[in-house]
Amino acid sequence: GAGVSQSPSNKVTEKGKDVELRCDPISGHTALYWYRQSLGQGLEFLIYFQGNSAPDKSGLPSDRFSAERTGGSVSTLTIQRTQQEDSAVYLCASSLVAGETQYFGPGTRLLVL
Amino acid sequence: QKEVEQNSGPLSVPEGAIASLNCTYSDRGSQSFFWYRQYSGKSPELIMFIYSNGDKEDGRFTAQLNKASQYVSLLIRDSQPSDSATYLCAVRGGTSGTYKYIFGTGTRLKVLA
Repeated sequence: GAGVSQSPSNKVTEKGKDVELRCDPISGHTALYWYRQSLGQGLEFLIYFQGNSAPDKSGLPSDRFSAERTGGSVSTLTIQRTQQEDSAVYLCASSLVAGETQYFGPGTRLLVL
Repeated sequence: QKEVEQNSGPLSVPEGAIASLNCTYSDRGSQSFFWYRQYSGKSPELIMFIYSNGDKEDGRFTAQLNKASQYVSLLIRDSQPSDSATYLCAVRGGTSGTYKYIFGTGTRLKVLA
């Protein structure tokens, strides 16, 4: 079956602009995670959803970052007023339920000029 | 002190040798431990997980967990050039929350033909 998909695959934006990153999880997966990976770094947890609820938002770096999930499926990560330090690969993962094996999408590579 | 620490490497081993990758974690309450492999420019993929002290074997891979010493390791037997990748250790549970994954920065493995 189809895996986790993310769009866009690449995004170049100017400092100060808002961006939206989309994640489409594996069908039937109720848990969805967002991570950020900067060059040469490990994965930094941002937020996870169980259904449409986000029990843990502790990883969001600032109030410029927000995420939502509707219909228990697609999720959108929004970064407002982007900064150069936001440049990274943003990875989404889904699992059948929270705590089960995560399957990662291909990521969105964000470059803020 | 980082929550999950790994030697960044690169760890170079000859083809056919055993590669030993180590990871230490700071949260004594951590409950689940994972090893992911990430090829350059690709997303992480799960290799193994371990919950209990001791060894867990899956093909050429063995995960070892020692909760008293707070370390987890991954052994790769009969290393192949295709095993060359970055290996990420992840920890879940403890004070960070049951379903939040904390990743190390990864160890880069190079298997020399």
